[in-house]
Amino acid sequence: GAVVSQHPSWVICKSGTSVKIECRSLDFQATTMFWYRQFPKQSLMLMATSNEGSKATYEQGVEKDKFLINHASLTLSTLTVTSAHPEDSSFYICSARVPLLGRGGVDTQYFGPGTRLTVL
Amino acid sequence: GENVEQHPSTLSVQEGDSAVIKCTYSDSASNYFPWYKQELGKRPQLIIDIRSNVGEKKDQRIAVTLNKTAKHFSLHITETQPEDSAVYFCAASLNTGNQFYFGTGTSLTVIP
Repeated sequence: GAVVSQHPSWVICKSGTSVKIECRSLDFQATTMFWYRQFPKQSLMLMATSNEGSKATYEQGVEKDKFLINHASLTLSTLTVTSAHPEDSSFYICSARVPLLGRGGVDTQYFGPGTRLTVL
Repeated sequence: GENVEQHPSTLSVQEGDSAVIKCTYSDSASNYFPWYKQELGKRPQLIIDIRSNVGEKKDQRIAVTLNKTAKHFSLHITETQPEDSAVYFCAASLNTGNQFYFGTGTSLTVIP
């Protein structure tokens, strides 16, 4: 199946610093990737849709100036948490849209392993 | 927008018994319904999915049913094993390739 990687897997940073998280599709090209945030024992909250070569589409309530998304190539999307604060501590997961062959145009999503961000 | 509800939030079953998790969705335009399994600290893994033109799909011990009229779909796991213990999420997609709207998750515990 499609493989999606994320780097780093965990990061601890001081309040006020910026953190960049990378999401890569390893064996396929992903024109669309998604960024989610997950709090302990809670569901996946979609933050934004990242499209290669264009601006990301943010969900309501997500600050685009705080969570910068760049999808510069067909295999890489990055999420930068700017001026991180303790309340930004969370598990960030990306996913890549993968066409399902023979499904009449239906796409599914494969997830990266996630990045645990802790802001002190 | 789409609203997906999932229940129960927690479920405990004896090994060998069946487990059923149910989800409802609000937008009749949704046409794709995947199920993901997430173990603690790991990524969600796609375990089965169903399209709106199909009423049921089975893959070994896992099956999913869809009732378009009632706008609900269910995950059925038979002959449960301890390794089935995880959090399961349902999702609905409005159109092909668009965002997935996830349910709130079900924490399944299979008691040996």
